[in-house]
Amino acid sequence: GEDVEQSLFLSVREGDSSVINCTYTDSSSTYLYWYKQEPGAGLQLLTYIFSNMDMKQDQRLTVLLNKKDKHLSLRIADTQTGDSAIYFCAETPAYGSSNTGKLIFGQGTTLQVKP
Amino acid sequence: NAGVTQTPKFRVLKTGQSMTLLCAQDMNHEYMYWYRQDPGMGLRLIHYSVGEGTTAKGEVPDGYNVSRLKKQNFLLGLESAAPSQTSVYFCASSYFRDNSYEQYFGPGTRLTVT
Repeated sequence: GEDVEQSLFLSVREGDSSVINCTYTDSSSTYLYWYKQEPGAGLQLLTYIFSNMDMKQDQRLTVLLNKKDKHLSLRIADTQTGDSAIYFCAETPAYGSSNTGKLIFGQGTTLQVKP
Repeated sequence: NAGVTQTPKFRVLKTGQSMTLLCAQDMNHEYMYWYRQDPGMGLRLIHYSVGEGTTAKGEVPDGYNVSRLKKQNFLLGLESAAPSQTSVYFCASSYFRDNSYEQYFGPGTRLTVT
């Protein structure tokens, strides 16, 4: 079945880069997402990548996709204390007649940014 | 736009009591979802709906029922609450754009069953 795995915790110092990793099993996945959850709040979409891409950059965020290894990473440059949150990786198959937009989430990685 | 709203924000139930969680979205999205979030387990899909009047089971549907009588509302019911249903519940809605679905989440409902 489909499965998404993430490490549970990452601690970095303010100003350093953070790299959050994710692995997935569904080879038919064509969209992979990164969501951010701040304390006491819902999830907010940060970025997503289509599986025919290997990199996507959006300001301080860089997403790298290794489709052969089914490995996804999120790099946050110049990490700030405001980046402290839980980051979720998620996958969904490509759109099709039976697609429902369902997402399969990883367990979430708690990013702690020390001043 | 208010986006996705959830009612209530907090609730404490005794074992065996029932309640309904309300999710509302004002973005005219076709798809709506109910998740539960437990420590170290990410989000797990309870039920979902691909349109008004339709619902389907997700990964962990037991003990829950849902209804989607109006496009903008998705209700989650607990008929007989159990301590194992203590969790944070999130509703989400989505639409199809650029060959992808982007889910918008509500702020969550924290439920404690004693």
